[in-house]
Amino acid sequence: EIVLTQSPDFQSVTPKEKVTITCRASLSIDSSLHWYQQKPDQSPKLLIKFASQSISGVPSRFSGSGSGTDFTLTINSLEAEDAATYYCHQSSSLPFTFGPGTKVDIK
Amino acid sequence: QVQLQESGPGLVKASETLSLTCAVSGYSISSGYYWDWIWQPPGKGLEWIGTIYHSGSTYYNPSLKSRVTISADTSKNQFSLKLSSLTAADTAVYFCARRTTMVRGVIDYWGQGTLVTVSS
Repeated sequence: EIVLTQSPDFQSVTPKEKVTITCRASLSIDSSLHWYQQKPDQSPKLLIKFASQSISGVPSRFSGSGSGTDFTLTINSLEAEDAATYYCHQSSSLPFTFGPGTKVDIK
Repeated sequence: QVQLQESGPGLVKASETLSLTCAVSGYSISSGYYWDWIWQPPGKGLEWIGTIYHSGSTYYNPSLKSRVTISADTSKNQFSLKLSSLTAADTAVYFCARRTTMVRGVIDYWGQGTLVTVSS
């Protein structure tokens, strides 16, 4: 099983700050890494697919990078509505796995 | 617009079998794509339970494989989850979702989730 670790676990950020979340895979997963945003009592929402591909309707302040085992989600100029938990997810091999999540709070 | 809607009991007893259904609208499951069940215990992260293709091919998380059955009813455009031998640890929000391909695919649509509480 491919284990995904995320850092940090929690981040408290002021609006307009830049946020960087990392996801590390225990084995190479090429670019089969996707990022989801989940707000309280909501289902996850796809933000970035295949490490760096943007999703229609997702604000351009969200971007992703990386390949192999190390990946990054960047939120440029954080807005209040970005308060959420962010999960990475690998679909390279079974069983599919998710990272433990990074909670982003707004100061 | 593709929509998924979970339904089932919100409260089940330990040792019993949970049955959930995901009704899909805006897309015919027999046309393709793969269909997931994912769970999230209260206050915790997401875990993949399993996936079904409309042909009936299924893929399960080994951690749950002995207790899980996923099936599809293309005539009703829905798919279902059965989880047996329930314990309190199975208390979770259960999501159904659409996956674009089996491996190297992405989950692009999610249901709203349904909370299932297992009582002793």
